Amino acid sequence: EPEVTQTPSHQVTQMGQEVILRCVPISNHLYFYWYRQILGQKVEFLVSFYNNEISEKSEIFDDQFSVERPDGSNFTLKIRSTKLEDSAMYFCASSEAQERSPYEQYFGPGTRLTVT
Amino acid sequence: RKEVEQDPGPFNVPEGATVAFNCTYSNSASQSFFWYRQDCRKEPKLLMSVYSSGNEDGRFTAQLNRASQYISLLIRDSKLSDSATYLCVVIDYKLSFGAGTTVTVRA
Repeated sequence: EPEVTQTPSHQVTQMGQEVILRCVPISNHLYFYWYRQILGQKVEFLVSFYNNEISEKSEIFDDQFSVERPDGSNFTLKIRSTKLEDSAMYFCASSEAQERSPYEQYFGPGTRLTVT
Repeated sequence: RKEVEQDPGPFNVPEGATVAFNCTYSNSASQSFFWYRQDCRKEPKLLMSVYSSGNEDGRFTAQLNRASQYISLLIRDSKLSDSATYLCVVIDYKLSFGAGTTVTVRA
C-alpha cells in the first residue's frame, strides 16, 4: 500500500538554526499539507500546497516558514530561524484530486523536531 | 467558541461494549467531515468520512447532524485494538482538528 514517508524521524537543532523537513507524498496525489502537533496538544494545520503554490495557510505559518516542491517527488518544509516553541511533531499529508476524494488525507509518520 | 470541540474523555469501556461520542463544530458552512484515529505519538490515520446520510464501516458508525452542528462516532463490540484517540476533522475554508477523544478498551 502506498504511503507518505518523512525524513528525518527526529531532528534536534539549536535555536536560531534553519531546518528542512522532508516528505515524499503518495505518488499520484496532487495536494500536499503540513501540520504540527505540540506534545499533548491538538494537530494544527500549517499549509496546503497544490499546483506548485500555496493554496491555504494558517496564522502559524508566518515568514519563518516556507514550503517547496523541489522535484517531482519531494515536498519540504523549511523553518528559517527556529524558536523553542517550534518544538513539535511535524506531519506531512497528501490527498488525491479534490473532485474524487476531497480532503481524505493520508499522513506520514512525522518528524519530531526538538529545538534546544 | 472553539471551531471544533470534542469531549476529551477518557472513555474507559470493557471489551465488547458500545461507546459513542460527539464532536461539535462552529461553522455552519463546513463542508466535509472525517474521523481519524491517532495512537500515542503516531500519525493520524483516516478512519472514515462522514456523509450526510450517515455511514457505517464494520463496527463503526458515523452520523452528521447539520442542524445541531455535530458529528458522532459509535463503536460497537469494541476491541482492545480500538484503544486510541479519535480526532474529529472539519473542513470549511481550512482544515480544523478537534483535540481528540481518548478511548481505552479494557479486557
